[in-house]
Amino acid sequence: EVHLVESGGGSVQPGGSLRLSCAASGFTFSRFAMHWIRQLPGKGLEWVSAIGTAGDTEYPDSVRGRFTISREDARNSLYLQMNSLTVGDTAIYYCVRTIAAPWSPIDHWGQGTLVTVSS
Amino acid sequence: DIQMTQSPSTLSASIGDRVTITCRASQSINKWLAWFQQKPGKAPKLLISKTSILESGVPSRFSGSGSGTEFTLTISSLQPDDLATYYCHQYNRYSWTFGQGTTVEIK
Repeated sequence: EVHLVESGGGSVQPGGSLRLSCAASGFTFSRFAMHWIRQLPGKGLEWVSAIGTAGDTEYPDSVRGRFTISREDARNSLYLQMNSLTVGDTAIYYCVRTIAAPWSPIDHWGQGTLVTVSS
Repeated sequence: DIQMTQSPSTLSASIGDRVTITCRASQSINKWLAWFQQKPGKAPKLLISKTSILESGVPSRFSGSGSGTEFTLTISSLQPDDLATYYCHQYNRYSWTFGQGTTVEIK
């Protein structure tokens, strides 16, 4: 059974940094593309980053230059380094996977980890 | 970015009713649209991919249709377990985007 378990969330002040982790199990991690999706207060969903099996990455403009997605296949782990955090980054952050092929949908989500940016 | 607009934002229906949710894209996304169901306190769950492909284990009362810029999710006979918020999602190209969600309430 596929399991994605996020950790590393918490409270941080504006301008601070946080590193999220996602532990994957139940599938061959190295064969899947991985993403971070966040759910903002009031429920909106926003795609935050993507990483392919070759380590290629994608970001939306809202986080490019501040967030860095990475993966460690030997540890079946996904990471999100978040710098220069703002109040607008407050959200539940989900780790999700897709098949490593064009136009593949998200098929599994983790349970999420809450990030709160507040002074 | 491709904007996804869902309607309605909230709907209230009775058990057994046919329910339709609409999702419009600001530009063509071909058939690369998914629908997710999110119950309170839970992560979203994939219901439908590529506009109309039902995920394994999803009840057959759910169906999807459309192409280009207009898509619909239909629940043919609403059940109590369908109380949830539903999101459309385009994965035609980065940046991926989501609709704002439709909350289904049971009358």
